Amino acid sequence: DTAVSQTPKYLVTQMGNDKSIKCEQNLGHDTMYWYKQDSKKFLKIMFSYNNKELIINETVPNRFSPKSPDKAHLNLHINSLELGDSAVYFCASSSGVSEAFFGQGTRLTVV
Amino acid sequence: AQSVAQPEDQVNVAEGNPLTVKCTYSVSGNPYLFWYVQYPNRGLQFLLKYITGDNLVKGSYGFEAEFNKSQTSFHLKKPSALVSDSALYFCAVRDASGGSYIPTFGRGTSLIVHP
Repeated sequence: DTAVSQTPKYLVTQMGNDKSIKCEQNLGHDTMYWYKQDSKKFLKIMFSYNNKELIINETVPNRFSPKSPDKAHLNLHINSLELGDSAVYFCASSSGVSEAFFGQGTRLTVV
Repeated sequence: AQSVAQPEDQVNVAEGNPLTVKCTYSVSGNPYLFWYVQYPNRGLQFLLKYITGDNLVKGSYGFEAEFNKSQTSFHLKKPSALVSDSALYFCAVRDASGGSYIPTFGRGTSLIVHP
């Protein structure tokens, strides 16, 4: 049973396209996150959402938007993809003082 | 604001020797501290955490870390390294005192264990 699952695992797309990455957690956690890992392996928070508030990292372009249909899902939508968006995107969840549980990542390649 | 520093991009150690991966942090209040490991093409896996209590925390795969409040450090250690420990290690911090609940990660340290 996968705790945090992301789909797809790999995504290759052309510049200018719009794409979505799905994330689901079955841990009953109340907080979910999206992180971006760049080519230097640095992890940068993009969004966090805990069914009461959405916190957005102000450096994230507004082409990126999270959508949470319910507490167990936090999907990532990206409009007008650019070459610089190529990275690995990780979904994670946590609750209270627990550690964050990470998905396996989605490797996005924009060509 | 909270931050984490991992001063070494890479740590090299011979198999069987002890290893240390360094981490220092900065938060406004009290910290929650975490270590994660990332193997190639995988997500981050949790190793251990400090929330409160004993400063020496034991975690998965024989790893441990010591919380040092005066030095604001949370170094990861293992008495005897294995080649299979070679991976990317991340330290993370959250503010336990009502600040941001979002974990902030260090830049990662690549651990290479030589046979």
